[in-house]
Parts: sequence; structure tokens; C-alpha cells
Amino acid sequence: DIQMTQSPSSLSASVGDRVTITCRASQSISSYLSWYLQQPGKAPKLLIYAASSLQSGVPSRFSGSGSGTDFTLTINSLQPEDFATYYCQQSYSTPRTFGQGTKLEIK
Amino acid sequence: QVQLQESGPGLVKPSETLSLICTVSGGSVSRGSYYWSWIRQPPGKGLEWIGNIYDRGGTSYNPSLKSRVTVSVDTSKNQFSLKLSSVTAADTAVYYCARDYGSGWYYLDYWGQGTLVTVSS
Repeated sequence: DIQMTQSPSSLSASVGDRVTITCRASQSISSYLSWYLQQPGKAPKLLIYAASSLQSGVPSRFSGSGSGTDFTLTINSLQPEDFATYYCQQSYSTPRTFGQGTKLEIK
Repeated sequence: QVQLQESGPGLVKPSETLSLICTVSGGSVSRGSYYWSWIRQPPGKGLEWIGNIYDRGGTSYNPSLKSRVTVSVDTSKNQFSLKLSSVTAADTAVYYCARDYGSGWYYLDYWGQGTLVTVSS
């Protein structure tokens, strides 16, 4: 199985801040990387696919980059609804593994 | 707008079989380019991919669950289902169904709201 490791596991920030979350794969996954946001008690929501493609309807303050084994999710100008947990997922091979999650909290 | 809805018992006894159905509206499970997936999340923990099926019935399962999992599709009802046998307390989780866009890139673009299944006697 491909292991996905996110860092940090938790992060405190303020409204208006810029934050970056990283995701590292245990082997090269090309650009088969997605990012999801999960608010408490809700299903995950797709933000980014193919490492850097913004899903339709997702605000442009979200962006993704990387390829191979190292990836980043950047959120510019944090909004109150962005405080949630973020997951990366590889779709290069099955089983499709997720990172352990990064919880973004209000400072 | 594609919508998915999980249904099934919220309580299952240990050693029994967990059975869930995902009903799809606004799209067809028999249309190509999509896989139909199950993911679960134990309380307070992260996401675990269970497996998926595509329109011609091909399946892929997480090896950690493969001996206990069956995913099937019923095109006449526009549904797909999950069966997980010999459950234990470790299978207690919120179970999500999702559409996996499978043309070129693979990503879970539509999700059900999730259903909590508790394994307890």
C-alpha cells in the first residue's frame, strides 16, 4: 500500500491568514492526488484533483501543487468556513489511501 | 446534480453481516467513466477506502478487508451496495458511498451524507 503522510496534524490560524498543508507519498504517485475538506459531522468535499486542478465551484483561494511524492495545499485569505479537517488521497493505485488528516483551527 | 444516499441498519451484532445500500439520483450507475465507492470513518478517526465497483461489475477492494467485503451494483434500481461479513466492534464507523470519477484522473467528486453503523450486541 502507498502510505500518505500529512503535516502538520493540526494547525492554528486566523481569518485572513495564508496556510499551507503538505502531503507526502511513500512512493511516486505522479499527479494522482486529491484534497478534501471535511467539516464536523459532514461528508468530505472535493477541493482539488490531479494535484492542482480546482474542482468546479470551489473558491479560488484554494490551490494545490506538486507531483511525484510531495504535494501542498495552500489556502489564501482564510475564511471562517475553512476551519475544518483536510485530507489528501492518492488514486495512483489501489487501495486508494488517505492521509491521516490536518485539523485547521481558529487561533 | 448527482446525489447519493446511504441506507441500512444502524446497529449490527458482532459476527453478523453489515449491509448498506447507496441510492444514486441525478446520474446513472451504468454510465461509463465512473466507479462507485465505499469509504468509512471510525468515530474521531480518519478515512479508510473500502472498495469500488464500475459499471461492468469489476471490483477492487482494500486488501485489509478483502476477505470480508462484497460490493455489487443493481442497475435496475440505480443502486450499489456494500456487504461486510463477520463484523466486530472495530467495524463501527460512519460509512460513506461516493462517486469516483474514473476517466483519466480518479477522484471522489460526489459523496453521500454518511450513515453511522454501530457493531454491538
